[in-house]
Amino acid sequence: AQSVTQPDIHITVSEGASLELRCNYSYGATPYLFWYVQSPGQGLQLLLKYFSGDTLVQGIKGFEAEFKRSQSSFNLRKPSVHWSDAAEYFCAVGEAGGSYIPTFGRGTSLIVHP
Amino acid sequence: KAGVTQTPRYLIKTRGQQVTLSCSPISGHRSVSWYQQTPGQGLQFLFEYFSETQRNKGNFPGRFSGRQFSNSRSEMNVSTLELGDSALYLCASRTGGAGDTQYFGPGTRLTVL
Repeated sequence: AQSVTQPDIHITVSEGASLELRCNYSYGATPYLFWYVQSPGQGLQLLLKYFSGDTLVQGIKGFEAEFKRSQSSFNLRKPSVHWSDAAEYFCAVGEAGGSYIPTFGRGTSLIVHP
Repeated sequence: KAGVTQTPRYLIKTRGQQVTLSCSPISGHRSVSWYQQTPGQGLQFLFEYFSETQRNKGNFPGRFSGRQFSNSRSEMNVSTLELGDSALYLCASRTGGAGDTQYFGPGTRLTVL
């Protein structure tokens, strides 16, 4: 069965600093990978996704993620964090096929200090 | 294109009552999934409907049920509410094809007293 681990429950960074959120997955075949962001009381917004091709994926709001098959990782990065980036971030893994159901990690809460 | 909409946004019920939540997917999306989100359990998959048929089901008791209409709109029903059912219920829609992406609604916050 597929699984997703986000090892950091909370991460605190200063505004303007760089950010990396970790995501490790367990899946037998080539996975479909996603990062979502959730602001308090809101639904999840897709930041970026990886299906195939270039392993460095660009997303919205200046985020990017790199798929590393050898490490079973899909870490999310941003070179300079803004206070508005404070939110909950979820990594998810799915499989090919029309009836896949993504498995979500437990989330990482990002705190941004001014 | 309008996003996924969910109604109502907030609900307060008492134990033993039942509740119905509604989800309107993005136009053209035939798949609707429901998730329960709680601080303790995170995001848990409830079920998925595709073209009015339940295609996948998570590990929830039979008190949780759903349906999908011909226009792809979906409803979720919870009967005999328990305190532990208090959660944010999220709906997500997608086209239903291979490799597509789920788009989430803002959720319905259910509080059971």
